[in-house]
Amino acid sequence: DTGVSQDPRHKITKRGQNVTFRCDPISEHNRLYWYRQTLGQGPEFLTYFQNEAQLEKSRLLSDRFSAERPKGSFSTLEIQRTEQGDSAMYLCASSNPHGKEGYGYTFGSGTRLTVV
Amino acid sequence: QQQVKQSPQSLIVQKGGISIINCAYENTAFDYFPWYQQFPGKGPALLIAIRPDVSEKKEGRFTISFNKSAKQFSLHIMDSQPGDSATYFCAASGGYQKVTFGTGTKLQVIP
Repeated sequence: DTGVSQDPRHKITKRGQNVTFRCDPISEHNRLYWYRQTLGQGPEFLTYFQNEAQLEKSRLLSDRFSAERPKGSFSTLEIQRTEQGDSAMYLCASSNPHGKEGYGYTFGSGTRLTVV
Repeated sequence: QQQVKQSPQSLIVQKGGISIINCAYENTAFDYFPWYQQFPGKGPALLIAIRPDVSEKKEGRFTISFNKSAKQFSLHIMDSQPGDSATYFCAASGGYQKVTFGTGTKLQVIP
């Protein structure tokens, strides 16, 4: 297992277009998280899954954002009708709270979204 | 509401010196306090973590000091090296829930 994988690494889109990002977590990790990070800030929580169940979604997340984790494996994050304010790094992380790493997250390298 | 406050925003340390980053939290339900290190273009990586039942944890050159009554914790990097130059985030979580991150400290270690 090579860690958490995110695709694409970079995405440039025009305002108003829809975009979808994919995250492949570490296989034995049952939790998967999405965070957003803007320049000079810490990662900001968006949503998380335990297996296929979406357990929490940030109140900051507009209805334009949706995430899925079918079959409890990979996850997708879709942003509809993108706005310039959506430009950020979107980070995926996975964890297994009952595993050897405990609460520790393993992050992917992120998808950098630029909305023009 | 920012639940984890971090300072300083940036830090310049001479090679061989001690880097100190401080964090404070508000939520007394937090029971796990990790530190993450992030290099440009990469996701954060877990560096070291502590639970509130201990006051200090050391791993190599990295030490977390924890003050439960003051709701503060800090990261000390001993013998700082240029390769330690990165952005450091303190964080906190409680009860198997999501991790809340601080705003980050950009550390530069100069030769």
